[in-house]
Amino acid sequence: DTGVSQNPRHKITKRGQNVTFRCDPISEHNRLYWYRQTLGQGPEFLTYFQNEAQLEKSRLLSDRFSAERPKGSFSTLEIQRTEQGDSAMYLCASSIRQTNEKLFFGSGTQLSVL
Amino acid sequence: RKEVEQDPGPFNVPEGATVAFNCTYSNSASQSFFWYRQDCRKEPKLLMSVYSSGNEDGRFTAQLNRASQYISLLIRDSKLSDSATYLCVSNTGNQFYFGTGTSLTVIP
Repeated sequence: DTGVSQNPRHKITKRGQNVTFRCDPISEHNRLYWYRQTLGQGPEFLTYFQNEAQLEKSRLLSDRFSAERPKGSFSTLEIQRTEQGDSAMYLCASSIRQTNEKLFFGSGTQLSVL
Repeated sequence: RKEVEQDPGPFNVPEGATVAFNCTYSNSASQSFFWYRQDCRKEPKLLMSVYSSGNEDGRFTAQLNRASQYISLLIRDSKLSDSATYLCVSNTGNQFYFGTGTSLTVIP
């Protein structure tokens, strides 16, 4: 399978715990994006990387959220001290930086904070 | 103001009907545009790019009007399998902005 891979598919955690999600992009893609989506809403931008550099972060991304892409390949998104409001689908997408760049999404990680 | 705005619907149409979705974008510097399809509890999947000249892919036609900052998607001869949420997307070159999506249900 050469698509975008996300792990885990589902995560249930208690409020206050830390969680980490992993995304493996399509291998030749140099850009990697993280989005959050709640029911009835479109995907909301969190951050993106070009190779290993984190180029932009949403103002919505609080200090509890951190993302890394250490070798320009896979990425991790960590949420510290989770809150119930963090419950959402966390989507990763990858692309190649080019004219008419297109995003390809992974299956997402569904986070439930109890 | 949201970067991309869509009518959330829902649109409930009979099989065989033609249905049109519209969306507007606020950033005149947006460079490219897309329609994505999202099934319930699944990830968005690229349906088609949108060009000023208009483009067609089978029963689907997309159109971009840069002067009005308006994007449309037309689905002809709707099938039951077209039932999904359709997301309008603009790309400024640094970020992709998604609308809230328009829900379509095709009824037998």
